[in-house]
Amino acid sequence: KAGVTQTPRYLIKTRGQQVTLSCSPISGHRSVSWYQQTPGQGLQFLFEYFSETQRNKGNFPGRFSGRQFSNSRSEMNVSTLELGDSALYLCASSSQQGNTEAFFGQGTRLTVV
Amino acid sequence: AQSVTQLGSHVSVSEGALVLLRCNYSSSVPPYLFWYVQYPNQGLQLLLKYTSAATLVKGINGFEAEFKKSETSFHLTKPSAHMSDAAEYFCAVISYNNNDMRFGAGTRLTVKP
Repeated sequence: KAGVTQTPRYLIKTRGQQVTLSCSPISGHRSVSWYQQTPGQGLQFLFEYFSETQRNKGNFPGRFSGRQFSNSRSEMNVSTLELGDSALYLCASSSQQGNTEAFFGQGTRLTVV
Repeated sequence: AQSVTQLGSHVSVSEGALVLLRCNYSSSVPPYLFWYVQYPNQGLQLLLKYTSAATLVKGINGFEAEFKKSETSFHLTKPSAHMSDAAEYFCAVISYNNNDMRFGAGTRLTVKP
């Protein structure tokens, strides 16, 4: 069974640009959550999608958005990038809402210059 | 919202020695507690989870954790450290109200030969 796949693995963007990250969950999993990991703030919850609907949202500005498609794949978008958005973005999938057992992808390392 | 606190950002042990990584959760009983491990440039891998079925939880790679309500703790232990255990370890809790997973700041484990 394939694991959670995140693409791309690495990304370099310029301040002010926008970026889209992709996550393919484990087959059959309907819940996808996104996290931002930085040395200073640690792991922070961004949002969770279940059956194409955003169910929970963390404390991030509106520049961070996401969506989930009918095949459960999810995308995360960050607009007007800031230097502080440089981080490892992790996606986790689970079979049900609420992250009762979450499986993580390897992450996308975003660097904003 | 629920939260967890990991005591000690860095722990160093000798190979073969006991590993003890500390985690305390906020006062009300959480529905789920987790320990995850992260190797460099990788996502998080679930070690074990507490779901109130048993207070002593056994996980992968010889790790186990004991839920102690009186101490609001969920410490992770392994009787004998191996070099391959060197990684960062995260304690996490499901927020009962919001269903989002909150992580501790992490503990970096170093294993000396």
